[in-house]
Amino acid sequence: TQLLEQSPQFLSIQEGENLTVYCNSSSVFSSLQWYRQEPGEGPVLLVTVVTGGEVKKLKRLTFQFGDARKDSSLHITAAQPGDTGLYLCAGVRNFNKFYFGSGTKLNVKP
Amino acid sequence: GAVVSQHPSRVICKSGTSVKIECRSLDFQATTMFWYRQFPKQSLMLMATSNEGSKATYEQGVEKDKFLINHASLTLSTLTVTSAHPEDSSFYICSARAGTTTDTQYFGPGTRLTVL
Repeated sequence: TQLLEQSPQFLSIQEGENLTVYCNSSSVFSSLQWYRQEPGEGPVLLVTVVTGGEVKKLKRLTFQFGDARKDSSLHITAAQPGDTGLYLCAGVRNFNKFYFGSGTKLNVKP
Repeated sequence: GAVVSQHPSRVICKSGTSVKIECRSLDFQATTMFWYRQFPKQSLMLMATSNEGSKATYEQGVEKDKFLINHASLTLSTLTVTSAHPEDSSFYICSARAGTTTDTQYFGPGTRLTVL
């Protein structure tokens, strides 16, 4: 069983649409990270959120950490084909334990 | 950003043979390296954590005698899959971080292992 559940698992949208990916857990984490992974490559870190309720923006991407530090969301505004990829959340404990979510495969059609 | 390399990127081997995968931090000293395994269309699962000069700490369910990890220097860790079988076929990814009190890890590009 996954400690972190992501939803949706798959998302196929048209260019210009908005979307939100959710990362949920019943466990508390010291921080939560979001990664993007291309096929056949390693994940690339997008952001780390540390404080409960924290919101971080990275261009068209908005990340939020839940108040209780158990869940997070990633919102993409006006999605572009270049956003296509596998999005992974990872909960961190004690700097040494990284628990990856089940992943959300996003496909943005032109 | 920091660069982590893996070698080889792809390897095909016969059942029963051993395969060694290298993970190198190219422009920083990696106090800790992590080894992950990723099955097709699935997420990453942490296999083990290795600190330079120490024995690796394996996650529950990971056979330490099958997946040998060595972290002999601050820039190199190796994962050896011993007596590989088809069920060991997977995408193996390493990551490295520069300290013990940071949650920033840099991932390698991964190694695709296929055991025939």
